[in-house]
Amino acid sequence: GAVVSQHPSWVICKSGTSVKIECRSLDFQATTMFWYRQFPKQSLMLMATSNEGSKATYEQGVEKDKFLINHASLTLSTLTVTSAHPEDSSFYICSASYDRDGAEAFFGQGTRLTVV
Amino acid sequence: LAKTTQPISMDSYEGQEVNITCSHNNIATNDYITWYQQFPSQGPRFIIQGYKTKVTNEVASLFIPADRKSSTLSLPRVSLSDTAVYYCLAVKGGATNKLIFGTGTLLAVQP
Repeated sequence: GAVVSQHPSWVICKSGTSVKIECRSLDFQATTMFWYRQFPKQSLMLMATSNEGSKATYEQGVEKDKFLINHASLTLSTLTVTSAHPEDSSFYICSASYDRDGAEAFFGQGTRLTVV
Repeated sequence: LAKTTQPISMDSYEGQEVNITCSHNNIATNDYITWYQQFPSQGPRFIIQGYKTKVTNEVASLFIPADRKSSTLSLPRVSLSDTAVYYCLAVKGGATNKLIFGTGTLLAVQP
């Protein structure tokens, strides 16, 4: 199957700093990518839809100025957590799929963010 | 997007067949029923997808009755490594492929 790669796999940062997470589709192009957040023992929560060449679409309750998404190419989307605080500590996961009906989604391995 | 309901958890033993049911009473005509598996600290992985009747692949089988209001994921002869959370989703049959995850079923396989 296709491969989606996230970088870094884990990151620790200080409160108030910003962290950038990359999501790459390694062997296919993706017009749309998705970003999720997952807290311990909970399900994945969709944060936003990343659209290549246009603004991201955020889910209700997700601060767009807090979680900056850039999708500058068909193989790369980035999520920047700005002015991170301990409550932003979570597991962030991206996904991408081929642009066809009912296509399966390929997920990255996730990024564990810890804000201290 | 149709809401799905599945058991929070299930227990099994190695070598047994496990059937996880999912209810999706409000599934739309163009929704596909899709199952994902997630291990701790990893992204989910696609298992199987179907529209109706039965679908089988090297990992699992998916049974969908004619009314499509429920589905059953069948894992044959589970092993300890099948311990994971299994998510049932109704995926809109379009290009967006936006996935909304429910609570999932935590399957614990014991020796």
